[in-house]
Amino acid sequence: DVKVTQSSRYLVKRTGEKVFLECVQDMDHENMFWYRQDPGLGLRLIYFSYDVKMKEKGDIPEGYSVSREKKERFSLILESASTNQTSMYLCASRTYSGGGADTQYFGPGTRLTVL
Amino acid sequence: QKEVEQNSGPLSVPEGAIASLNCTYSDRGSQSFFWYRQYSGKSPELIMFIYSNGDKEDGRFTAQLNKASQYVSLLIRDSQPSDSATYLCAPYRYGQNFVFGPGTRLSVLP
Repeated sequence: DVKVTQSSRYLVKRTGEKVFLECVQDMDHENMFWYRQDPGLGLRLIYFSYDVKMKEKGDIPEGYSVSREKKERFSLILESASTNQTSMYLCASRTYSGGGADTQYFGPGTRLTVL
Repeated sequence: QKEVEQNSGPLSVPEGAIASLNCTYSDRGSQSFFWYRQYSGKSPELIMFIYSNGDKEDGRFTAQLNKASQYVSLLIRDSQPSDSATYLCAPYRYGQNFVFGPGTRLSVLP
């Protein structure tokens, strides 16, 4: 079974703090993704990475950065947390063949509250 | 036009009935279509995917795809209260990112 884990299920931080969210997958997937999910707004892509040390901006990258130093680990960084970054953060990893076998799996999510 | 459209619901069905969840998409280049189930407060979990026109069955779930109409659906037979969740449709064009629909909330009434 594919396993995607995230460092915390719940996190409470203060405005201005630097926040690290970590994601680890154990299936040797090349592609990894960070989303946030808010009521009424659906899943929104923040950043993604197609390989080690590669990163691409998604639809809402402002206020976030990422790091992918190892294939299995993809970190999301909030440089200076703000209250509008309170959300559910979801990491995902994906097989990649460029074809029909590609499948994306999600981690359990981190519910972040910024006070 | 939104890329992926789903009725937000809630779609309410009685226990034991068939639940029909629909999804339309705008990208004619989409090649695979994924259905995820998401319980409240949890992350999406993959149910099944389909890439050929027609039906694909997996247990109580059947995915139906009509590429000409840009339409994909998920049928849940013998619906159970435990099926109550939000169902996300995600078309995929090979090599690009998944595009997720807003989801349909299903409520199965005992």
